[in-house]
Amino acid sequence: GQNIDQPTEMTATEGAIVQINCTYQTSGFNGLFWYQQHAGEAPTFLSYNVLDGLEEKGRFSSFLSRSKGYSYLLLKELQMKDSASYLCAVRDTSYIPTFGRGTSLIVHP
Amino acid sequence: ETGVTQTPRHLVMGMTNKKSLKCEQHLGHNAMYWYKQSAKKPLELMFVYSLEERVENNSVPSRFSPECPNSSHLFLHLHTLQPEDSALYLCASSQEVQFRHGRETQYFGPGTRLLVL
Repeated sequence: GQNIDQPTEMTATEGAIVQINCTYQTSGFNGLFWYQQHAGEAPTFLSYNVLDGLEEKGRFSSFLSRSKGYSYLLLKELQMKDSASYLCAVRDTSYIPTFGRGTSLIVHP
Repeated sequence: ETGVTQTPRHLVMGMTNKKSLKCEQHLGHNAMYWYKQSAKKPLELMFVYSLEERVENNSVPSRFSPECPNSSHLFLHLHTLQPEDSALYLCASSQEVQFRHGRETQYFGPGTRLLVL
């Protein structure tokens, strides 16, 4: 089985930087995904990591350390529209992702 | 728009009713999924279909019955549900179940918000 842990809620200020952590324990590892989900909407893909290191995509970056079972999503220059739930999902040898509970990010002015 | 549509968007039903949720994907994908999303809980995988064959069934109660008539359509038939089944039901699709190219991701529909009274 899998165990995925991420904070329940975080708050940050518009224009700031926020880091959302995700730790996991899996039997086998075949990649880690981050999704963004606005209230009442579908989750949308943000990033994918399978090798150690940092993947940068505009204001969003995602980091992975396989030896530590750890990832983070870094959001820079926060905007009000970034207020959403951020889902960490880990894929094991079954190739089907298992999701964490999600981190609700609140960005305030 | 993700290319995955779900109907209805909202549904209220009594415990004795029978209803169906519909999902359609316009992406040419071969795999489709049903997830349940409850407040404060992780997305729970319910069923996975690959080329219209069920490849995963995560111990879901028999009051939920999936149907995949072709690779573009997926249904979830509901009967004699319980109030604890109230949740957001999400459909997703991907090119394949086993992601040969690693970066392959799932595309989610907007979900059906279900309330069981």
